[in-house]
Amino acid sequence: GAGVSQSPSNKVTEKGKDVELRCDPISGHTALYWYRQSLGQGLEFLIYFQGNSAPDKSGLPSDRFSAERTGGSVSTLTIQRTQQEDSAVYLCASSLARRGGITGELFFGEGSRLTVL
Amino acid sequence: KQEVTQIPAALSVPEGENLVLNCSFTDSAIYNLQWFRQDPGKGLTSLLLIQSSQREQTSGRLNASLDKSSGRSTLYIAASQPGDSATYLCAVSPLRGSNYKLTFGKGTLLTVNP
Repeated sequence: GAGVSQSPSNKVTEKGKDVELRCDPISGHTALYWYRQSLGQGLEFLIYFQGNSAPDKSGLPSDRFSAERTGGSVSTLTIQRTQQEDSAVYLCASSLARRGGITGELFFGEGSRLTVL
Repeated sequence: KQEVTQIPAALSVPEGENLVLNCSFTDSAIYNLQWFRQDPGKGLTSLLLIQSSQREQTSGRLNASLDKSSGRSTLYIAASQPGDSATYLCAVSPLRGSNYKLTFGKGTLLTVNP
């Protein structure tokens, strides 16, 4: 597609439910990122995928969070047993990546706004 | 740990004014610095990317400068327009280690009044 596409754009869920957020990166971009933006906070790194390499999951806040990227393209971020503190905007970005993992300009999607009641 | 600070947190100017947004970072070992724009309820749009070896980048009415040694970057907006109203974020990429882990500032909310 022309840009990074994320779905759903808005999700309201009850505490304890599982949610899945989807990201479709720009075609040809091998690097994919998930960030979280909480009210009044800066963007927080969650996870990074680059090609077929093992993802860097060091930013995931707890083991309730997981992500996968199938076929080097679409990624899904899953949050199990959601808590109210998970409420935030989850932003996905993609970029071209050069050898050594050096990244170029990031292109962001419009985000998925998650509200946990 | 890298920290990125943006001052001011909010800025309101009349249309047509030239303005400067500031970004400072504590660790000068950066690979690059990016400026983004975020409209309410939207994602981030990349404006300018400056490599650590560069001093500035220009795009239209926007000019971003980088002084790596002092840990500062500025975004200059010429002849501001109401359509420039948005939150402006800067982010730095570390030189060593995982350079894909950007550290973001909290942004400057710009309002340009007609």
